[in-house]
Amino acid sequence: ETGVTQTPRHLVMGMTNKKSLKCEQHLGHNAMYWYKQSAKKPLELMFVYSLEERVENNSVPSRFSPECPNSSHLFLHLHTLQPEDSALYLCASSQDAMGGRRSYEQYFGPGTRLTVT
Amino acid sequence: DQQVKQNSPSLSVQEGRISILNCDYTNSMFDYFLWYKKYPAEGPTFLISISSIKDKNEDGRFTVFLNKSAKHLSLHIVPSQPGDSAVYFCAASAGGGSQGNLIFGKGTKLSVKP
Repeated sequence: ETGVTQTPRHLVMGMTNKKSLKCEQHLGHNAMYWYKQSAKKPLELMFVYSLEERVENNSVPSRFSPECPNSSHLFLHLHTLQPEDSALYLCASSQDAMGGRRSYEQYFGPGTRLTVT
Repeated sequence: DQQVKQNSPSLSVQEGRISILNCDYTNSMFDYFLWYKKYPAEGPTFLISISSIKDKNEDGRFTVFLNKSAKHLSLHIVPSQPGDSAVYFCAASAGGGSQGNLIFGKGTKLSVKP
C-alpha cells in the first residue's frame, strides 16, 4: 500500500451505534489530521495529531473521539451520532505540524462516506 | 463567516485554452496558500502552493498568482487538458504555530471539454 488509506470507504450507522474509522499512512509522516466535508461546505479541520499527540481540537463534539496509537495510524471513534454528522470524513498526513510547507502540503486519503440514519 | 471564498462553483473551458480559477480571502494573517485538486471518489491531492512573500509560482502548466493588496489568488492552467477536469480547492494558513491548520474554500468544479 502507498500513500494514505482509509477504511471503510462507506459506512451506514444508526444513531445508537458505535463504529470506528481507520486511517493509515505509508509516507513516514509525523502529523495526521481528520477533516469533515459536509454537502456544500468546505473541508473543516477536526483534529490534528503531531507525533501521536493531539495538538488541535477544533471544537468537535465529544461523540467524535480520535485515537493515534502511532505515527502511522489514526482512528476516529464514533458513538451516538446525529443525522447531521453524515458527511465525507477525510484523513490526511504531512511531514510535521510545525507550520510551513512541511505542514501545509498534506496528503489525503480517499475518505469514508458516512451516513447516519 | 468564510475566510476563504471560491465564488464560482463551476467553470467550463475548451481543451487547449486557459483555465483561470479564482480565490478570495479575508484574513490578512494568512501567509501560505495552496491549491488542491480532487477527482471523484478520491481525496484531494496537492497541486501547487505559494508563500505570501511571492506573487507568482509556476510549475509546468500550473501557475498561481497572489495579489495581497486585493487578498486574491488565482490558478492558471495552460493549456487545459480533459484530465484536468476535477474540483479545485483553494486553501490558506496563518502560519506560525498554526500546526498545519488549513482553511479551505468550497471548491470550483472545472470541466475541460475536448
